[in-house]
Amino acid sequence: AQSVTQLDSQVPVFEEAPVELRCNYSSSVSVYLFWYVQYPNQGLQLLLKYLSGSTLVKGINGFEAEFNKSQTSFHLRKPSVHISDTAEYFCAVSDPGGSYIPTFGRGTSLIVHP
Amino acid sequence: SQTIHQWPATLVQPVGSPLSLECTVEGTSNPNLYWYRQAAGRGLQLLFYSVGIGQISSEVPQNLSASRPQDRQFILSSKKLLLSDSGFYLCAWNPQSDSPLHFGNGTRLTVT
Repeated sequence: AQSVTQLDSQVPVFEEAPVELRCNYSSSVSVYLFWYVQYPNQGLQLLLKYLSGSTLVKGINGFEAEFNKSQTSFHLRKPSVHISDTAEYFCAVSDPGGSYIPTFGRGTSLIVHP
Repeated sequence: SQTIHQWPATLVQPVGSPLSLECTVEGTSNPNLYWYRQAAGRGLQLLFYSVGIGQISSEVPQNLSASRPQDRQFILSSKKLLLSDSGFYLCAWNPQSDSPLHFGNGTRLTVT
């Protein structure tokens, strides 16, 4: 079964600074990868997904992520964050050769300070 | 367009009382349906998923159960709640197994 590691439980950053949220997954022949965002007391919303093709994936709200197969990573980046980006971010992986059901990381709390 | 409704938004229940959380999806047919529980700092734990009416798969043995009485309705139940059942419960769906999940707004359950 796949596993996902989000190394940082909390990432504080100042407004307009760049940010990277790290995600590593266990090795597999092929994977589908996702990043979701969760605002307080709400469900999760899809930010971006990688199914195949270009390793650089662009999502909503100016976020992007890069699939790195050799390092089994799918880090999320944004060049300039806003206060409104303060939220919980979850990385998820699913195995297209298996059950497809995604496994989620424990989440990273992004805190943007003014 | 498709929407997912989950209720209630918050719930406070005493230990030993029953539970029923409901989730419905509109604007699609034969969705895959999921129940997750979220505990602080522990990510999302898959509880149940369903690929069709009456088809329920359980991921974690516990005192919770799920049912799918209609195509777009998914219910999470318990006969007797435990303190450890407190948490944030999320319902989700996708049109097919390799699609991203769409989540409801969740139910905050506090067992006292």
